[in-house]
Amino acid sequence: QVQLVQSGAEVRKPGASVKVSCKASGYTFTSYGISWVRQAPGQGLEWMGWISTYNGDTKFAQKVQGRVTMMTDTSTSTVNMELRSLRSDDTAVYYCARDSGRLRYNWFDPWGQGTLVTVSS
Amino acid sequence: QSVLTQPPSVSGAPGQRVTISCTGSSSNIGASYDVHWYQHLPGTAPKLLIYGNSNRPSGVPDRFSGSKSGTSASLAITGLQAEDEADYYCQSYDSSLSGSYVFGTGTKVTVL
Repeated sequence: QVQLVQSGAEVRKPGASVKVSCKASGYTFTSYGISWVRQAPGQGLEWMGWISTYNGDTKFAQKVQGRVTMMTDTSTSTVNMELRSLRSDDTAVYYCARDSGRLRYNWFDPWGQGTLVTVSS
Repeated sequence: QSVLTQPPSVSGAPGQRVTISCTGSSSNIGASYDVHWYQHLPGTAPKLLIYGNSNRPSGVPDRFSGSKSGTSASLAITGLQAEDEADYYCQSYDSSLSGSYVFGTGTKVTVL
């Protein structure tokens, strides 16, 4: 079945970087893009960015632009998301999600299980 | 700050019907971009509930239905069940600035 499996929880100090991985299985990896969505404690869902697994094109939300990198590894069907210059308000559960291949009409399904990133001194 | 506004909470007794609104603008829902809905239970991954405004993925009960009109969309849950208690989010695309996917503010559904 289609599945996204993410890496485990991370704890970082303010100013550090964190990398979260998302490994896909059960479908042709390069046929669908991957988005990253996060949820801070007590807050709603926030879209962070998208990567094309076909050619590596990316698009990021303005809030994280300049601090986030997304890369795709077709040999392992894995997408990596790196967030730099971490702040306390980056503490959140980070999800990867497969898009539907519909560009601006995309929905997200399925989702990874989530990775808790805690930023604390 | 989300550009799609939802009521913070709605509640209903088992068996009742509840609706959740998702209000956008001319740069997202009003620009004819599709609206999708997700159910999110604490500690789990969000689950796609409705895609393309009104379509249910296989396995989603027909108690859930979606609609869209103008700059707004709605999710209806009929025959409310205890297992429906969760957070619900709408999602669309916004073409303002450089364009991005956007989520609603989220609605907590409580089964009384």
